[in-house]
Amino acid sequence: EMQLVESGGGLVQPGGSLRLSCVASGFTFGSYEMNWVRQAPGKGLEWISDINSRSSGVFYADSVKGRFTISRDNAKSSLYLQMNSLRAEDTAVYYCARKGEVIAFDVWGQGIMVTVS
Amino acid sequence: DIQMTQSPSSLSASVGDTVTITCRASQSVNRFLNWYQQKPGRVPKLLISGASNLQSGVPSRFSGSGSGTDFTLTISDLQPEDFATYYCQQSYATLLTFGGGTKVDIK
Repeated sequence: EMQLVESGGGLVQPGGSLRLSCVASGFTFGSYEMNWVRQAPGKGLEWISDINSRSSGVFYADSVKGRFTISRDNAKSSLYLQMNSLRAEDTAVYYCARKGEVIAFDVWGQGIMVTVS
Repeated sequence: DIQMTQSPSSLSASVGDTVTITCRASQSVNRFLNWYQQKPGRVPKLLISGASNLQSGVPSRFSGSGSGTDFTLTISDLQPEDFATYYCQQSYATLLTFGGGTKVDIK
């Protein structure tokens, strides 16, 4: 079974930092682009970052560019999101998601809550 | 960035109804348009990719159409388990974007 499991969320003060991790299993992690998507409480989905399979291409939404850094370790089947200079508006559930062959998010993690307060 | 606009933002419908949700892109996304379903407290689920390709296991009452800037998601014979929020998402551009969502609830 394909699975993504996030960790590292929690409560952090404004201006602080947090590092999210996402461990993949059940598929060849190193063959896929991976993404982070977030959802603020009661709000819609917001794509925030993408990394290609070899880490040679990374992309960010304007809302996090310059503050967040996406990375991966294919040997560990792991995806990361380093979040710096956190703001109250970064409060959300953060999902890691696989971009599959259909060029869509076909596998999602269960989500991890990040609260900036 | 490509902006995705969904309409309506919410609708009420009855079991057995046919529901249509519209998604409009601020510029052409060709057919790189995906639809997701999210139930309260649950993870989003991919329903349709490439504007009209139903994912494995998704009931055939779901269908998608469109290309360029205008897309629709149609749910025929609405079932109790279909009451959820639906999101469109473009995967044409490097910077990906979601629509604001359409909440389908019970009339």
